[in-house]
Amino acid sequence: ETGVTQSPTHLIKTRGQQVTLRCSSQSGHNTVSWYQQALGQGPQFIFQYYREEENGRGNFPPRFSGLQFPNYSSELNVNALELDDSALYLCASSLTSGSRQETQYFGPGTRLLVL
Amino acid sequence: GNSVTQMEGPVTLSEEAFLTINCTYTATGYPSLFWYVQYPGEGLQLLLKATKADDKGSNKGFEATYRKETTSFHLEKGSVQVSDSAVYFCARNNAGNMLTFGGGTRLMVKP
Repeated sequence: ETGVTQSPTHLIKTRGQQVTLRCSSQSGHNTVSWYQQALGQGPQFIFQYYREEENGRGNFPPRFSGLQFPNYSSELNVNALELDDSALYLCASSLTSGSRQETQYFGPGTRLLVL
Repeated sequence: GNSVTQMEGPVTLSEEAFLTINCTYTATGYPSLFWYVQYPGEGLQLLLKATKADDKGSNKGFEATYRKETTSFHLEKGSVQVSDSAVYFCARNNAGNMLTFGGGTRLMVKP
């Protein structure tokens, strides 16, 4: 059983650029959630995808967007990057069955630095 | 909104000392509660969880009991090791299974 994987591991961008981060969910999981973890802080929920649709969103502007693919993998896109977007971006996968959602398991993260 | 508050670190202990990291949560709804651990340069690993009041989660010598009357989920370990040095996050889930995390507590264990 493979765990959650994310790519790339590190990324450097400049202000105003766009970035795409990728996540492959754990085998058997159908739901992907994205979190932003600024240095020295706890993760903050960005959004969740289930059945290829956004299934909940935190307090992040529309320039943060995402996709989920039929194989349950997911992308996080951030447009018009700002310096404050520098953070560790964590992907978590889980299994949703009916109205029940199981525990979220996290990938190793992508560390984004915006200069 | 829902929130999680945990004791600020760093917590510095000697090997084999007793560990307690306090965590309290807002009492909205009937959340599941979690402790995740983050080792340097890595993502989050689930350490333990509890899904209802009076449940005790345990793993690798760590324990936490879901206390509804005090809205707490304190993490304990009887004898810490140097390898336990990491940042520990308490979390609760919300509608849609969004997780709300505390700010994290850094534990440093010295030989």
